[in-house]
Amino acid sequence: GQNIDQPTEMTATEGAIVQINCTYQTSGFNGLFWYQQHAGEAPTFLSYNVLDGLEEKGRFSSFLSRSKGYSYLLLKELQMKDSASYLCAVRDNTGGFKTIFGAGTRLFVKA
Amino acid sequence: DVKVTQSSRYLVKRTGEKVFLECVQDMDHENMFWYRQDPGLGLRLIYFSYDVKMKEKGDIPEGYSVSREKKERFSLILESASTNQTSMYLCASSGGSRGNSPLHFGNGTRLTVT
Repeated sequence: GQNIDQPTEMTATEGAIVQINCTYQTSGFNGLFWYQQHAGEAPTFLSYNVLDGLEEKGRFSSFLSRSKGYSYLLLKELQMKDSASYLCAVRDNTGGFKTIFGAGTRLFVKA
Repeated sequence: DVKVTQSSRYLVKRTGEKVFLECVQDMDHENMFWYRQDPGLGLRLIYFSYDVKMKEKGDIPEGYSVSREKKERFSLILESASTNQTSMYLCASSGGSRGNSPLHFGNGTRLTVT
């Protein structure tokens, strides 16, 4: 089976850096995704990792360690609009790319 | 731009009714998914489909069925709605044969069963 864990809530200050962790257990692995979801809206894609290491995309970076079943999303230069839920999701390697989500981390950015 | 359209934004149904939630995508994606989202539980996969007429159970298929007669349309059916099926339902699609294709979500249907 699959299990994905991430913190329920985090608070950070505008302009700061925050790291959101995700640990996972999966029977087959075909990549890890991070999505952002603002209240009342659909999730939107942020990043994808399938190999170990860091992927950087502007203010957002995502890291993966497959041997440890661990990923994190790093948000730099936090802005108020970054207040949202961040969802960690793992795709397995069955046909159809089954994708399982963690419960999400609600990030509050304060002034 | 990929568009995933869910037929209703809000829906109120009575216990025991048969409920259809419709989802259409316009990008010729092979894979389509139905999730429900509940506070504290996140997105949970109900069913997914990787081809026309093909379907696979997700983690919580009980009480639901699906239909995929055309590539662009994936329907979720609640055979006999119950109050514990009150939730936000999200449809998603992804394309290609490569694992890095992200999910594209519809805006969701908030279903209330009374």
